[in-house]
Amino acid sequence: DGGITQSPKYLFRKEGQNVTLSCEQNLNHDAMYWYRQDPGQGLRLIYYSQIVNDFQKGDIAEGYSVSREKKESFPLTVTSAQKNPTAFYLCATSPGSETQYFGPGTRLLVL
Amino acid sequence: GNSVTQMEGPVTLSEEAFLTINCTYTATGYPSLFWYVQYPGEGLQLLLKATKADDKGSNKGFEATYRKETTSFHLEKGSVQVSDSAVYFCALSDRGGSYIPTFGRGTSLIVHP
Repeated sequence: DGGITQSPKYLFRKEGQNVTLSCEQNLNHDAMYWYRQDPGQGLRLIYYSQIVNDFQKGDIAEGYSVSREKKESFPLTVTSAQKNPTAFYLCATSPGSETQYFGPGTRLLVL
Repeated sequence: GNSVTQMEGPVTLSEEAFLTINCTYTATGYPSLFWYVQYPGEGLQLLLKATKADDKGSNKGFEATYRKETTSFHLEKGSVQVSDSAVYFCALSDRGGSYIPTFGRGTSLIVHP
């Protein structure tokens, strides 16, 4: 069953803590993306990767880090430098075309 | 740079009413245009797309026509259902670049029985 999985569905972060959001895909897509969604603000691009071992900053990369060691996986770490991390995080993939395919999302909350 | 402007929501309709959600865009090239839909608590999914001027995208009773002269891609449906309640995002993708899409802010649609 092809698709994109994101885990966990909900994640709680304590002050000063780094947390990692998982994104895995079995669609064999080359490109992967991370977006942040806040109410009324649409989607904002955090990082993207078009090929293994390479990634680029998006519009709001500060306070976040990523890795792309495998084609199937593109984890996002929200570091303690991100002072306002509460949001809905969406992972997406693309086969090198214009259409994007989205995972179900992870909601990050701060304790 | 590229930008997408959508009408603000929420749009509130009764079941079987006609729906229009306006979307206009600014782009330097000849972008492809998209509508994505997001149901509560889920990720986005592609609803329809159009890749060149005068193309009409359609899916599940929704339609949108790529109007280059007015730089618009308005979403329409003749008779909405309660199950259409969701947030709708207009987006463009500039094929000359790296396929990074530009999204509008989203328009919430609420359909009452």
